[in-house]
Amino acid sequence: RKEVEQDPGPFNVPEGATVAFNCTYSNSASQSFFWYRQDCRKEPKLLMSVYSSGNEDGRFTAQLNRASQYISLLIRDSKLSDSATYLCVVSTGFQKLVFGTGTRLLVSP
Amino acid sequence: DTAVSQTPKYLVTQMGNDKSIKCEQNLGHDTMYWYKQDSKKFLKIMFSYNNKELIINETVPNRFSPKSPDKAHLNLHINSLELGDSAVYFCASSQDVPGRRSETQYFGPGTRLLVL
Repeated sequence: RKEVEQDPGPFNVPEGATVAFNCTYSNSASQSFFWYRQDCRKEPKLLMSVYSSGNEDGRFTAQLNRASQYISLLIRDSKLSDSATYLCVVSTGFQKLVFGTGTRLLVSP
Repeated sequence: DTAVSQTPKYLVTQMGNDKSIKCEQNLGHDTMYWYKQDSKKFLKIMFSYNNKELIINETVPNRFSPKSPDKAHLNLHINSLELGDSAVYFCASSQDVPGRRSETQYFGPGTRLLVL
């Protein structure tokens, strides 16, 4: 079983749609959680950290459920520029990040 | 004002050759990393250095040897290249914060290695 599992997609949505991505992790000792974004042929960039209380950054909302070992990302009012691969990332120790394989999002006009 | 830079951007070489990829960060970070992203886009950590000291060494063939001449540089040397080494190699850096487990990692643009 992979340490971090994501639905690879692609998710095809029209502009303005709301889309949700889910991620599960296997190591209950995981301490830090993130969503990174990777555009085609580019490097990954931090989108947001994920906290137990849930957190929001504009159109993006992240949730963490430690009991179920589940992380989610909600994108509201999708824009064309949101098209990218979204990587669920978990840290099980100091500075060591474990990446999911990513969920590809395609937003169409 | 590039934060994390890598050279070369593209590398095409024959099996059996030895090659190096260089990485530099101007963010003043203490920790640097090498990741490999394979053809299935799976990104996996290979090595991590903190202040020139190796702290993470995942299961990587010993043909791969990282070298950190100073905390702003982490180079990756690969001996006897194999077809399976073809991938995108990303360098990254982060700043340690005492008492905090993981901080944001900043990635370089990647080096696309193709072994023929």
